[in-house]
Amino acid sequence: AQSVTQLGSHVSVSEGALVLLRCNYSSSVPPYLFWYVQYPNQGLQLLLKYTSAATLVKGINGFEAEFKKSETSFHLTKPSAHMSDAAEYFCAVSPGGKLIFGQGTTLQVKP
Amino acid sequence: EPEVTQTPSHQVTQMGQEVILRCVPISNHLYFYWYRQILGQKVEFLVSFYNNEISEKSEIFDDQFSVERPDGSNFTLKIRSTKLEDSAMYFCASSRTGNTNTEAFFGQGTRLTVV
Repeated sequence: AQSVTQLGSHVSVSEGALVLLRCNYSSSVPPYLFWYVQYPNQGLQLLLKYTSAATLVKGINGFEAEFKKSETSFHLTKPSAHMSDAAEYFCAVSPGGKLIFGQGTTLQVKP
Repeated sequence: EPEVTQTPSHQVTQMGQEVILRCVPISNHLYFYWYRQILGQKVEFLVSFYNNEISEKSEIFDDQFSVERPDGSNFTLKIRSTKLEDSAMYFCASSRTGNTNTEAFFGQGTRLTVV
């Protein structure tokens, strides 16, 4: 069965600092991986997705993620955090139609 | 921009009562989903629905749950006899296809509190 694990339920960075949110996957077949973001009082919004076309995936709001098969990872990064990035971030894998989510990581951005 | 809408945003119900959570998926989407997130836990898949029938359901989706697309626009989740442990945020989602790489669009969620 496919699964994802997010390391760190809470990450705090200063505004302007690098954002790194970690996600590792488990899959016996090439996975389709996603990062979703949930801003306060809003639904889940797709940030980016990996579909095997390219290992470095660029998403919205300056985020990107790199698929590393050797490390079974799909970490989310952003070079410079902005206050508006404060939200909950979910990594997910899709074995077909449905999504299987990680535990989520709350990103706090300090001024 | 088309979006998935859910009503109500908050629902408080007494244990044992029936609740219906409503969703309006994006109009040209064909696949519909319900997920839930118990406070402090991960978002969990409940059920997927296509062509007026359930295509997949999780072990959470037992006999007290049912889904329906009553009128071609709404997609509902019914919980027949609510339990305290059903308290959670329920998300509806829809997608154009059921392929693994197709984006699912989520609603804002309904927070269900069972007292």
